[in-house]
Amino acid sequence: DAGVTQSPTHLIKTRGQQVTLRCSPKSGHDTVSWYQQALGQGPQFIFQYYEEEERQRGNFPDRFSGHQFPNYSSELNVNALLLGDSALYLCASSYGQGAYEQYFGPGTRLTVT
Amino acid sequence: TQLLEQSPQFLSIQEGENLTVYCNSSSVFSSLQWYRQEPGEGPVLLVTVVTGGEVKKLKRLTFQFGDARKDSSLHITAAQPGDTGLYLCAGGGATNKLIFGTGTLLAVQP
Repeated sequence: DAGVTQSPTHLIKTRGQQVTLRCSPKSGHDTVSWYQQALGQGPQFIFQYYEEEERQRGNFPDRFSGHQFPNYSSELNVNALLLGDSALYLCASSYGQGAYEQYFGPGTRLTVT
Repeated sequence: TQLLEQSPQFLSIQEGENLTVYCNSSSVFSSLQWYRQEPGEGPVLLVTVVTGGEVKKLKRLTFQFGDARKDSSLHITAAQPGDTGLYLCAGGGATNKLIFGTGTLLAVQP
């Protein structure tokens, strides 16, 4: 049973560039949430996708956008990268929008220089 | 704004010692999860508690949800070096947006 997978593992970008991160949920899960984790801190909720729509959003600017595909996989896009966007980006999947147990992928380490 | 405060922030102990990590909030949560995260990896779910006063045990780890569902604790008995990591509590509400705590970094010295 495949768990949550994310790609790429690491990424280095320059300020002002755009980046796309990808996530495949755990088998049987249909909801994907994205989190940003700065070094030494707990993850911060970015947004959640269910039935291919953004259902909830945290306190992140519009530079952060996403998409969910019919196979439940998801992408996180960040435009006009800032140095402060450097972080570990985590994808979590769950079954059903109201479920409370989420399973996390290994994350994508984004470094903006 | 819902916040979860964890204490202590850092803990360095010797193998065999016991410890307790606390997770406190002024908000009520429908569920409370505990995760452990190792460097460069995603958080791994340890337990979910949903009922006020609920106690769950996972080998040497004991988790408790407060009666008012605003706080939780994690107790580790006879800590081992393999317990080293970042422990995170996370609260869930009506939807499954998780609010994470500030984290407790545990180091168990052999």
